[in-house]
Amino acid sequence: QQKVQQSPESLTVSEGAMASLNCTFSDGTSNNFRWYRQHSAKGLEVLVSIFSDGEKEEGRFTAHLNRANLHVSLHIREPQPSDSAVYLCAVSLAQTGFASALTFGSGTKVIPCLP
Amino acid sequence: ETAVFQTPNYHVTQVGNEVSFNCKQTLGHDTMYWYKQDSKKLLKIMFSYNNKQLIVNETVPRRFSPQSSDKAHLNLRIKSVEPEDSAVYLCASSQAENTLYFGEGSRLIVV
Repeated sequence: QQKVQQSPESLTVSEGAMASLNCTFSDGTSNNFRWYRQHSAKGLEVLVSIFSDGEKEEGRFTAHLNRANLHVSLHIREPQPSDSAVYLCAVSLAQTGFASALTFGSGTKVIPCLP
Repeated sequence: ETAVFQTPNYHVTQVGNEVSFNCKQTLGHDTMYWYKQDSKKLLKIMFSYNNKQLIVNETVPRRFSPQSSDKAHLNLRIKSVEPEDSAVYLCASSQAENTLYFGEGSRLIVV
């Protein structure tokens, strides 16, 4: 069964710096990776989707995928107060035909603070 | 912009009662889901429903049942709630195996 683990559990980052979030997965055949953001008491919104090794940028959010190392990361450039949220990594085996194969990590809480 | 709508947002009830959560999506997607999010923010799939085909996570207790009238609606019914059912229930939709779009969640508190 797929295991998805995120680190750190919580991250305080100065506004203007770079926030780096890590996600490891256990199944090397996974081919569908997404980062979601969840503001307090809200639903999830997708930030970046990545399907092949390398990087994918969506505005201030960049995902890096290295399937050989079973690792996908998210980098947030110049974090702002509105980025205060829990960030969830989601991994799937798309060959099942359903996104229900998506397995989520338990999240990283990002807390931007004034420098 | 919200396109997956859940009601109610919050519900408190006693052990043994029946509860229903409603979900509607206006995205024209063909697949809908229910996820359970625990106090540690961990999300687990409960059900997915596509073209009248229901896929059930085998770990979901039988007191939970999905109900769909059409592809835009997927409700969740809990026949007799138990304390461990306290959680946030998130509805989502997708087109085929693409990105999931989530509602804002329905928080259930069982006392």
